[in-house]
Amino acid sequence: QKEVEQNSGPLSVPEGAIASLNCTYSDRVSQSFFWYRQYSGKSPELIMSIYSNGDKEDGRFTAQLNKASQYVSLLIRDSQPSDSATYLCAVTQGSGNTGKLIFGQGTTLQVKP
Amino acid sequence: DTEVTQTPKHLVMGMTNKKSLKCEQHMGHRAMYWYKQKAKKPPELMFVYSYEKLSINESVPSRFSPECPNSSLLNLHLHALQPEDSALYLCASSHRTENTEAFFGQGTRLTVV
Repeated sequence: QKEVEQNSGPLSVPEGAIASLNCTYSDRVSQSFFWYRQYSGKSPELIMSIYSNGDKEDGRFTAQLNKASQYVSLLIRDSQPSDSATYLCAVTQGSGNTGKLIFGQGTTLQVKP
Repeated sequence: DTEVTQTPKHLVMGMTNKKSLKCEQHMGHRAMYWYKQKAKKPPELMFVYSYEKLSINESVPSRFSPECPNSSLLNLHLHALQPEDSALYLCASSHRTENTEAFFGQGTRLTVV
């Protein structure tokens, strides 16, 4: 079992729809969870961080965390073609003191006009 | 300001060359990281520096040699690389190693010929 798992996609949604990206992780003591967006040929850009169970909203983005189910998700409302990118889920290894992030393989999102 | 600056943006080097990648941040962050990313794969951690001291080396071959001259600078010295070392090399920084958000530079695209 991979430490952080994501569906590689591509996930295709029409413009204006809600895109739902999912991630599961295996380390029960992980404390911090991040979503990065990466455009082709560019570096990862941090878009959301979440540390406690529940929802966290920032503009069109909502991150959801369920530590009991070891599940974290990202919702993108009113999806735009500019949201087309690879979304990387990242989880701190262990309690997070080392700074080591474990990345999932990434989900490619395509937003069709 | 969440800027991490990497130079050069692109680098082509022969297998007998010695070159260095540079990374700079002025956010007062005390943790800095080197990641390697191959095409269509997630970033893989190489090294972690915490308060200018090397805290993690992910069993990286000795042809990669990191250096942290001060709290704002991080270098990666390259020597006798192989073609399979061609990749995007990413620098990142965070406030500390503990559970904090990491911000990436734009990366150096390295090609070994």
